[in-house]
This record gives sequence, structure tokens and C-alpha cells, in this order.
Amino acid sequence: NAGVMQNPRHLVRRRGQEARLRCSPMKGHSHVYWYRQLPEEGLKFMVYLQKENIIDESGMPKERFSAEFPKEGPSILRIQQVVRGDSAAYFCASSPGMQVAGSYNSPLHFGNGTRLTVT
Amino acid sequence: QKEVEQDPGPLSVPEGAIVSLNCTYSNSAFQYFMWYRQYSRKGPELLMYTYSSGNKEDGRFTAQVDKSSKYISLFIRDSQPSDSATYLCAMSRNSGNTPLVFGKGTRLSVIA
Repeated sequence: NAGVMQNPRHLVRRRGQEARLRCSPMKGHSHVYWYRQLPEEGLKFMVYLQKENIIDESGMPKERFSAEFPKEGPSILRIQQVVRGDSAAYFCASSPGMQVAGSYNSPLHFGNGTRLTVT
Repeated sequence: QKEVEQDPGPLSVPEGAIVSLNCTYSNSAFQYFMWYRQYSRKGPELLMYTYSSGNKEDGRFTAQVDKSSKYISLFIRDSQPSDSATYLCAMSRNSGNTPLVFGKGTRLSVIA
């Protein structure tokens, strides 16, 4: 998992607050993916971004969630007005290119996640 | 029916045992199949990758894909306590921009 940096590692928010999760991809990677892992659940795709573009946001909840990957700086996953159901581990992954994500030609490298707890 | 089904376990085996992990899936469009290993409080790391049907071996690990049965397996030979982790299957369609679909993961404990 070396290379993909996520921060903070742990984030506690009260209901109604905003949560900002940051992800710096591996050096040279221009593709970023966000996944959510609920307790006892597998990883669920949320959004796929390239620099300054959202490519696929089919897994994002329609309200309160947004993501960006600016030209400079990390990718940000933003959750507004958090609710208890948002408590989960949020993982970011990066890849170097447009080949099938997860293949050895373009492997997905995951960060160690941000664990969000909403109280 | 979920796209990818995986028994969450937990699975507990003695050191040295052969471990068999598997997933079934419903979407016949899946072409790329992967196994990830996830240690507690860490992100998943790619373990094995297979395209279409067939077998792939890497050291103590063997991945098998049977597309006719929509069934994939991961075998671990001579299991070690360090193999104790959650194993996630993942798969993707034949488009470069298609995100991975993961199983829930199987928690494995190898007892010394």
C-alpha cells in the first residue's frame, strides 16, 4: 500500500457536520477511485476521477456527497451534513492509466483508508 | 441476487493446510478476475489477477476461473499464520473504465 496517502486515518464528526477526506495518489498516477467499506460489507465503488474530471460517479449517493481531483493537490471526498449511516472506512485507490483497473497492466493501489465515525 | 457472492467465513485452519476460497457471480460480462488480501486496518493489496477462464499460479497461491459456472477460486498451499487476513474477490467487465465489483471478503485465520 506504499504510495497512496490518505488522511486523516481516523475522523470523528457529529451528525450534521462536514467530513473532508483527502487522497494523494501514487507518484505518476493520474486516475483516482474512491470506495466505501461498511462493516461486514465488501468494498463499494463510489467515484472515478482523473485530473479535473469526474469520469464515473455512478456509485455516489445523489445528495451530500461530492468528489474532486484538482489539477494541483490531492483528491477530496466531501460529505456534507453527515449522518450515522455514513460511518465507514473510505478507501482511495490510484492507477497509472486507462487499462482495466486492477489488472497487472494497470494495477489499483489502495491507500490504508480513512475511518469515519459519525456520533 | 448480488452480482458477486462470497462467503464471509470466518474460516479457521491449522498451519500447513490447503485453503480454498471462492466466489460466484451473476454477470456473464465479467472478464477480469482478481483476488485482494486485506490485513486488519489496512487497504487491500492485489494478490492474483486472471483474465477470462483458466488457472494462474504464483508461489503458494493458485487462482482458478470457471466462466461457464461463474465461479472463481483461490487456493493457498502450505498456509502460514501470516496468511491470516480477509480475502476479497473482485471482477470487472471488458471496459477500461469499468470499476471493480468486490465480494464481501472471507476472513481467514491460520492457527500455528
